[in-house]
Amino acid sequence: ELKVEQNPLFLSMQEGKNYTIYCNYSTTSDRLYWYRQDPGKSLESLFVLLSNGAVKQEGRLMASLDTKARLSTLHITAAVHDLSATYFCAVDPPFRGGSEKLVFGKGTKLTVNP
Amino acid sequence: EPEVTQTPSHQVTQMGQEVILRCVPISNHLYFYWYRQILGQKVEFLVSFYNNEISEKSEIFDDQFSVERPDGSNFTLKIRSTKLEDSAMYFCASRASEAGNTIYFGEGSWLTVV
Repeated sequence: ELKVEQNPLFLSMQEGKNYTIYCNYSTTSDRLYWYRQDPGKSLESLFVLLSNGAVKQEGRLMASLDTKARLSTLHITAAVHDLSATYFCAVDPPFRGGSEKLVFGKGTKLTVNP
Repeated sequence: EPEVTQTPSHQVTQMGQEVILRCVPISNHLYFYWYRQILGQKVEFLVSFYNNEISEKSEIFDDQFSVERPDGSNFTLKIRSTKLEDSAMYFCASRASEAGNTIYFGEGSWLTVV
């Protein structure tokens, strides 16, 4: 059974600082997703990582995937208050013909303080 | 940008009552999902639907749950006899045909069972 672990679960940081959120998963997969969720809101897709070594960047966020280590990172550069949200990683089990059932981590609640 | 729409956004129901949550997936998408998120917890897979039938379901998706695509555009989740523990945010999601495409989530339907 695929397990997805995120850490830290809670992260409080100051504006302007850098930090990394980690996502480990237990079985082989080469498809990993990062989502952002604001309180009471839906899941906004941030990144789709589809191969070993994939790196994607959008603004102050950069995500990477190491399938050999079964690890993805979400790096935050020079954090700003607007980045405060909960960040989820989600992993596909090995592809079995289309159902792509995502398994989510518990989420990292990020608070960026002035 | 196309989006997944869900109704109602919030429903309060008495224990034992039937509830239908409705979703309109993105129009050219072929794979449809329901997930739920109990307050403060991670997002959990319920069911996936493809080619007018369930392709996978979790152990949460027991006999009280059913899904339907009655008219080629709507995708519904029915909970036959609600329990207190069914209180959660229910997310509909959809994906285009190719594996690895982004899975888009709706805004969610918040169900409160009293």
